[in-house]
Amino acid sequence: RKEVEQDPGPFNVPEGATVAFNCTYSNSASQSFFWYRQDCRKEPKLLMSVYSSGNEDGRFTAQLNRASQYISLLIRDSKLSDSATYLCVVNWAGNMLTFGGGTRLMVKP
Amino acid sequence: GAVVSQHPSWVICKSGTSVKIECRSLDFQATTMFWYRQFPKQSLMLMATSNEGSKATYEQGVEKDKFLINHASLTLSTLTVTSAHPEDSSFYICSASAAVDIFTEAFFGQGTRLTVV
Repeated sequence: RKEVEQDPGPFNVPEGATVAFNCTYSNSASQSFFWYRQDCRKEPKLLMSVYSSGNEDGRFTAQLNRASQYISLLIRDSKLSDSATYLCVVNWAGNMLTFGGGTRLMVKP
Repeated sequence: GAVVSQHPSWVICKSGTSVKIECRSLDFQATTMFWYRQFPKQSLMLMATSNEGSKATYEQGVEKDKFLINHASLTLSTLTVTSAHPEDSSFYICSASAAVDIFTEAFFGQGTRLTVV
């Protein structure tokens, strides 16, 4: 079993739709969680940090469920510019980031 | 946010030659830097953890004699791919963090696309 698992997608959604991604992690000692966005042939960039039960930033909402060991990312009112790969990242020791395989989102007109 | 600069952004080299990739933290001191490799349609895979002034820690399956890492200062780490082969062609990315705890994000370099012909 992979340490951090994501549905690879792709998720094809129309503009304006709401889409949600889930990510499960295996290490119960994990303490910090992040969602990164990676555009094709670019480096990952931080989208959101998830410290406790979750947080919201505009159209994006991240939630953490420690009991079930998963985090989710909800995107409301999808834009064409949201098309990217979304990486779930878990930190369980020092600054050792473990990446999920990524979920590809394609928002269509 | 913090800036991490990686150079070169792309390189094409012949089989058997060596390639050096630099990773610099421009506005903070990075005690630890990380090197990742990403093959097409796959996620980032950690290759090694680089600590300033000491030997790098390599992940299982990564050859330390092939991927030489040097972290001579708090702002610079280098990865040298020695005797490169076509199967080494990949996207290499470094990351660095200024924090000593696990709640601070890591910043990534722009990545280096290596093509070995």
